[in-house]
Amino acid sequence: GAVVSQHPSWVICKSGTSVKIECRSLDFQATTMFWYRQFPKQSLMLMATSNEGSKATYEQGVEKDKFLINHASLTLSTLTVTSAHPEDSSFYICSAIGRKYNEQFFGPGTRLTVL
Amino acid sequence: SQELEQSPQSLIVQEGKNLTINCTSSKTLYGLYWYKQKYGEGLIFLMMLQKGGEEKSHEKITAKLDEKKQQSSLHITASQPSHAGIYLCGAAHGSGNTGKLIFGQGTTLQVKP
Repeated sequence: GAVVSQHPSWVICKSGTSVKIECRSLDFQATTMFWYRQFPKQSLMLMATSNEGSKATYEQGVEKDKFLINHASLTLSTLTVTSAHPEDSSFYICSAIGRKYNEQFFGPGTRLTVL
Repeated sequence: SQELEQSPQSLIVQEGKNLTINCTSSKTLYGLYWYKQKYGEGLIFLMMLQKGGEEKSHEKITAKLDEKKQQSSLHITASQPSHAGIYLCGAAHGSGNTGKLIFGQGTTLQVKP
C-alpha cells in the first residue's frame, strides 16, 4: 500500500506555544488528507478535511483558529496547534486518500504532550 | 448521526483459538473498513467491504458485511501473538464519497502464548 509519513513522531512543548505537525504522502499525490485526534484508550475522531489549494473544512466542535491546516501541495498537509494547552495533548493521525476514494492510508501518528 | 459500536471492547484469547469482533452501525454502511492499531502507532489497513453479503479474507483474517449492510464481523482463525492489538472498524461518513471516516471505539485483543 501507499506510504504516509508524519513528522515529528512525538513532541513535547510548553503551554502557550505553537506546534506544527507535517503529513506527507510519500509515493502518491493526495488531493485530500484528513486529520484525526485520538485520546488515550479512545477511538479516532475526525477533526478536519484538508484539501489541496483550498481551505480546510472542520468538524463540528473543532476550533479552526486553534488548529490551523495548510495543504500547500499534493503531498503535504500541515496541522499547527496554536497556543497549545495541556488539554490539547493527544495522538494526532493524518490520512490521505489514494487514487480511489476507497483507499485511505494512515500516517504513524504524532504524540503531542503539552506541559 | 451515524455511530459504530464494536463488541467486545476487549478480548483475551489463548494462542491458537478463533475469535470474532463485531461492528454494528445505526445506519446503512456505504463502506466498512477494518484497521489494526498498536497502541501509540498508526493504523494498518486490513480490509474494506462495500457490498451487502461481501466477504474478504487475508491470511487468517476474514471480514464479512451482512446483507443489510449494517453489521460487519472480523474473524481471526488460529490466533497468534502477532494478532494482538487494537482493531478498529471505520465507516464512510454518510452516503457521499467524501472519504471521511467515523470509527468505532475499538476492540483490544490480547493473545496469550
